Amino acid sequence: ETGVTQSPTHLIKTRGQQVTLRCSSQSGHNTVSWYQQALGQGPQFIFQYYREEENGRGNFPPRFSGLQFPNYSSELNVNALELDDSALYLCASSQPTTDTQYFGPGTRLTVL
Amino acid sequence: ILNVEQSPQSLHVQEGDSTNFTCSFPSSNFYALHWYRWETAKSPEALFVMTLNGDEKKKGRISATLNTKEGYSYLYIKGSQPEDSATYLCAFPNSGYALNFGKGTSLLVTP
Repeated sequence: ETGVTQSPTHLIKTRGQQVTLRCSSQSGHNTVSWYQQALGQGPQFIFQYYREEENGRGNFPPRFSGLQFPNYSSELNVNALELDDSALYLCASSQPTTDTQYFGPGTRLTVL
Repeated sequence: ILNVEQSPQSLHVQEGDSTNFTCSFPSSNFYALHWYRWETAKSPEALFVMTLNGDEKKKGRISATLNTKEGYSYLYIKGSQPEDSATYLCAFPNSGYALNFGKGTSLLVTP
């Protein structure tokens, strides 16, 4: 059984640019959640996708957007990058019958 | 947003010591509490999902207890080993789909 994978591992962008992060969910999982972990903080919920529809959103501006594909993989897009967007971005997938979320190793985004 | 607090922020113990840390959460409308272990450069790993008041769960040398009435959970590690060094996170489901995480307890176990 393949776990949750994320790409790329690291990314450096400049302020104002746009970035796309990718996540492949664990086999059999149709729900994907994205979290942002800033330095010294716990992971903060960005949004969740279930069967290709956004299923809930945290306190993040609209320039954070996402997609989920028919194979349940997902993308996180961030437009107009700001310095404060520098963080580790975690993706987690889950089965419809359990609350446990299974995390990928994250993408480290640095905005200069 | 439901606040989850963890203490201590960091802990340094010697190999063989037993240790414990605390997660505090809102006691009203309790649904579940999650514990994760997160080793550096790896994915957070689910340890326990706790749902019932008085629950006690165990995985090897790690165990956790839950008090939903007073809003806290303890994580215990018996006979800490260097491989237990990690950040331990607790999380409380918010609105049924989001996990609301604490800042974690960073544990370092030295030989």
